[in-house]
Amino acid sequence: TQLLEQSPQFLSIQEGENLTVYCNSSSVFSSLQWYRQEPGEGPVLLVTVVTGGEVKKLKRLTFQFGDARKDSSLHITAAQPGDTGLYLCAGAGSQGNLIFGKGTKLSVKP
Amino acid sequence: NAGVTQTPKFQVLKTGQSMTLQCAQDMNHNSMYWYRQDPGMGLRLIYYSASEGTTDKGEVPNGYNVSRLNKREFSLRLESAAPSQTSVYFCASSPNRADMNSPLHFGNGTRLTVT
Repeated sequence: TQLLEQSPQFLSIQEGENLTVYCNSSSVFSSLQWYRQEPGEGPVLLVTVVTGGEVKKLKRLTFQFGDARKDSSLHITAAQPGDTGLYLCAGAGSQGNLIFGKGTKLSVKP
Repeated sequence: NAGVTQTPKFQVLKTGQSMTLQCAQDMNHNSMYWYRQDPGMGLRLIYYSASEGTTDKGEVPNGYNVSRLNKREFSLRLESAAPSQTSVYFCASSPNRADMNSPLHFGNGTRLTVT
């Protein structure tokens, strides 16, 4: 069974701090996607990483795909209250459907 | 464009009652999905429809049925609701299920409580 483990499960920080969340698996994935979900809404795609070792930047967010394509990380620089939400990673499973991690719930306090 | 629209937004049912959750997308996507989201469990796939006219079971299909009414609409039916089906249900769509790099587009969910 392919699993994606996300850590930490919860993270509460002050505005301006930096943070990193992780998405790990013992399985190789052809690509990984990161979504952000705000309260009362559905998840929205942030980025897809495809190549091992790839780094993608989206303003203050930096996404990295591990060389072996088994793990990924999301680093946020100078977090803002607007970054608050549930961050989900997802990868294509062997059955052809997306497998989601359980998410990291981030709270950024002003 | 509205994207993916789900109705209703909230619903309370008594054990044994039935209901249908509606989902429609206006992006001309071929593939549609139903997920449930529970605390500590993440998003789990209930059923999906890779293309119009086809439906398949996902990870947690028991107690549910689906209908792909046309390319736009994909409904989820609970024939006899149980408290274990209390959850937030999300419909999603994607251009083609086979392209795993294409993102899922989610609706804003239906919050269902079964008492």
